[in-house]
Amino acid sequence: EPEVTQTPSHQVTQMGQEVILRCVPISNHLYFYWYRQILGQKVEFLVSFYNNEISEKSEIFDDQFSVERPDGSNFTLKIRSTKLEDSAMYFCASYPQGSDTEAFFGQGTRLTVV
Amino acid sequence: KNQVEQSPQSLIILEGKNCTLQCNYTVSPFSNLRWYKQDTGRGPVSLTIMTFSENTKSNGRYTATLDADTKQSSLHITASQLSDSASYICVVSYNNNDMRFGAGTRLTVKP
Repeated sequence: EPEVTQTPSHQVTQMGQEVILRCVPISNHLYFYWYRQILGQKVEFLVSFYNNEISEKSEIFDDQFSVERPDGSNFTLKIRSTKLEDSAMYFCASYPQGSDTEAFFGQGTRLTVV
Repeated sequence: KNQVEQSPQSLIILEGKNCTLQCNYTVSPFSNLRWYKQDTGRGPVSLTIMTFSENTKSNGRYTATLDADTKQSSLHITASQLSDSASYICVVSYNNNDMRFGAGTRLTVKP
């Protein structure tokens, strides 16, 4: 069964450093999302990406964050100058065209900022 | 404001018992409603997806209902098993592609 793959599974970084979280969505999917989940809290929407551009972003997704799909397969989330409060699980999700189709989530990257 | 509220926040039941989780939403315009199961430290896994015209949908021991008029949904779990212990998240889609997550119900099934 096709799946969304995220790497690394765990990333530890020092405050102020840049991190890049990587996702390989399912190959024929067109919509891509990043979410985060701070420990013990609910999943929060960060950004959606379609047709090689951001379609929507939340108030969390400020200038510190950026996304790109550099090679048509990988979908990356870059966090510049990480802060302690960026520590969370980051989930990538993808789904095919159409609002009633299934969304598939990766297993997440646990980011720890120290 | 587009919101998804779930209740209860947490629930403990004995193995073999049934339970029902609730989801109320104010999201508009509504596209669909999904229930996900999330094990600790893992990504959410889809249980059901329901569109506006569907009132009920089952997936094994999971049965979801949807009342689009009152903007309420429920997830009923029958004959619970220890492996059902997880967070159950209600997710409502709007504007066709955007999704809003509820905070989840943390279910613990005890032997």
